Amino acid sequence: DGGITQSPKYLFRKEGQNVTLSCEQNLNHDAMYWYRQDPGQGLRLIYYSQIVNDFQKGDIAEGYSVSREKKESFPLTVTSAQKNPTAFYLCASRPLTQETQYFGPGTRLLVL
Amino acid sequence: QKEVEQNSGPLSVPEGAIASLNCTYSDRGSQSFFWYRQYSGKSPELIMFIYSNGDKEDGRFTAQLNKASQYVSLLIRDSQPSDSATYLCAVNGGILGNEKLTFGTGTRLTIIP
Repeated sequence: DGGITQSPKYLFRKEGQNVTLSCEQNLNHDAMYWYRQDPGQGLRLIYYSQIVNDFQKGDIAEGYSVSREKKESFPLTVTSAQKNPTAFYLCASRPLTQETQYFGPGTRLLVL
Repeated sequence: QKEVEQNSGPLSVPEGAIASLNCTYSDRGSQSFFWYRQYSGKSPELIMFIYSNGDKEDGRFTAQLNKASQYVSLLIRDSQPSDSATYLCAVNGGILGNEKLTFGTGTRLTIIP
């Protein structure tokens, strides 16, 4: 069963805490992306990676970090430096031969 | 800063009518254009993409592209209540930025039975 999985579905963060969102794909896609979506707004790019062990900042990378140690996995860490982390986080992937991005189900992050 | 503009709506259309969704973009170098549908609380799913000027049809959906006017639209014929969703327009970065997409804020569409 191929696809993109994100976990957890809901995540609660306490003040000053770092949390990590998981994104895994078994589609053999090369490129992976992290977006943030706030209510009534479009998707804003946080980080993306086109190859293992390499990644680039998007438009709103401050307060976030990523790693790409395996082709299948692209975890996102929301650090304590991100002062307004409450949002819907979406992971996407695509093969390098296509421009269409395919999305996982998303993780909703809430602050306690 | 590359921009993609959409009317946020809500756009209300009677069931069975044609829904017309519009999107303008600022980067003349953009070459690929995408329409995604997003149901409330869910992730976006691709409806159509278009690369060439003109129309592209897929079932009840037609994408229209006019690069000279920097305008892309999505027409939904015979609108159904299940078409009620937010529609996101996305544009690639052109030759020097085609690894990224820039998304509009979306148009919320409501089909009235």
